[in-house]
Amino acid sequence: GAVVSQHPSRVICKSGTSVKIECRSLDFQATTMFWYRQFPKKSLMLMATSNEGSKATYEQGVEKDKFLINHASLTLSTLTVTSAHPEDSSFYICSARDQGFAEAFFGQGTRLTVV
Amino acid sequence: GNSVTQMEGPVTLSEEAFLTINCTYTATGYPSLFWYVQYPGEGLQLLLKATKADDKGSNKGFEATYRKETTSFHLEKGSVQVSDSAVYFCALGNSGGYQKVTFGTGTKLQVIP
Repeated sequence: GAVVSQHPSRVICKSGTSVKIECRSLDFQATTMFWYRQFPKKSLMLMATSNEGSKATYEQGVEKDKFLINHASLTLSTLTVTSAHPEDSSFYICSARDQGFAEAFFGQGTRLTVV
Repeated sequence: GNSVTQMEGPVTLSEEAFLTINCTYTATGYPSLFWYVQYPGEGLQLLLKATKADDKGSNKGFEATYRKETTSFHLEKGSVQVSDSAVYFCALGNSGGYQKVTFGTGTKLQVIP
């Protein structure tokens, strides 16, 4: 199957700093990428959907100025958590889809801890 | 809108026991249905999928059948192993131009020797 690589897998940052998470499709062109957040013992919450070359569409309740998403190419999307706070600590997962596939493929996830 | 309801866990089974994790959905149109598995500390992996009514997805001994009449996609395995311990997510993909996936809350499975 198609491979999606997410980096870093773990990051610890100080409160007030910004963190960038990368999501790459390694062997296909990702026309659409999705960013999810997973809370402990809960399901995945879709944060935003991005199409290459256009602005991301954020889900209700997600602060777009805090969670900056860039989908500059067909193989790379980035999520930047700006001015991180401890409550932003979570597991963030990206997924990517090519129009030719029925399903989206997921990255390995990034465990963010803000101290 | 779309929604997925799956049985709450955790589910604890002995090795070689039969597994069923129930999943029902609400959707417009003709969605695709998926089961994803998340092993401890890892991201999600697609376990199996079905794209139309009556399709059966299968992988690694797991099976699920797309039942449109009951709007269900229950996951089954005849004999679980300790290595199957993970969180299982039922999910639905819409049939629009891009695949927005809606997840259930996940069911944690623990298999004990």
